Amino acid sequence: EVQLVESGGGLVQPGGSLRLSCAASGFTFSSYVMLWVRQAPGKGLEYVSTISSNGGNTLYASSVKDRFTTFRDNSKNTLYLQMGSLRIDDMGVYYCARQDAVDGPSGPSYYIDVWGRGTTVTVSS
Amino acid sequence: DIQLTQSPSSLSASVGDRVTITCRASQSISSYLNWYQQKPGKAPNLLIYAASNLPSGVPSRFSGSGSGTDFTLAISSLQPEDIATYYCHQTYMSPPTFGGGTKVQIK
Repeated sequence: EVQLVESGGGLVQPGGSLRLSCAASGFTFSSYVMLWVRQAPGKGLEYVSTISSNGGNTLYASSVKDRFTTFRDNSKNTLYLQMGSLRIDDMGVYYCARQDAVDGPSGPSYYIDVWGRGTTVTVSS
Repeated sequence: DIQLTQSPSSLSASVGDRVTITCRASQSISSYLNWYQQKPGKAPNLLIYAASNLPSGVPSRFSGSGSGTDFTLAISSLQPEDIATYYCHQTYMSPPTFGGGTKVQIK
């Protein structure tokens, strides 16, 4: 069974740091681009970060750039999100997700085909 | 960033009704548009990819259409298990963005 399981969420003070992990199973982890998507309490989905299959390329939302770092260990089938300088508006559920693609009219058409259950980050003093 | 505007933000319909949700992009995104269903307390689930493609396992009452800036998600016959919030998602241009969501309830 294809599965993504996040861990590492918890309570952290403003300005603090936290590392999230996402353990993948049931598929060839090293073949897939992976993402982090978050959801503030009662709000919609927000893109956080993307990492290429070999970990060599990363992208970040402007709201987290220079504060968050995404990396992966393909030997351990694990994705990570290192979060620093945490703010109140970083609070929410963080989802690990797998990206797949089909041919599109002008390049690959990407979509998220597998989501983890999420891990909750609370930022409070 | 490309903005996605969903309408309505919420709706209430009866079991068996046809329901449509619209997603409008701030610029043309061709067919690079996906839809997800999120049930309360759960992770999102892929419903439609590349504007009109149904993943295996998704009931055929769901369908997607559109291209350019205007897209539609339709539920041909609303069922009680379709109570959820629905999100559109564009991957035409980085960063990928999501619509604000449409909450579907049973009347």
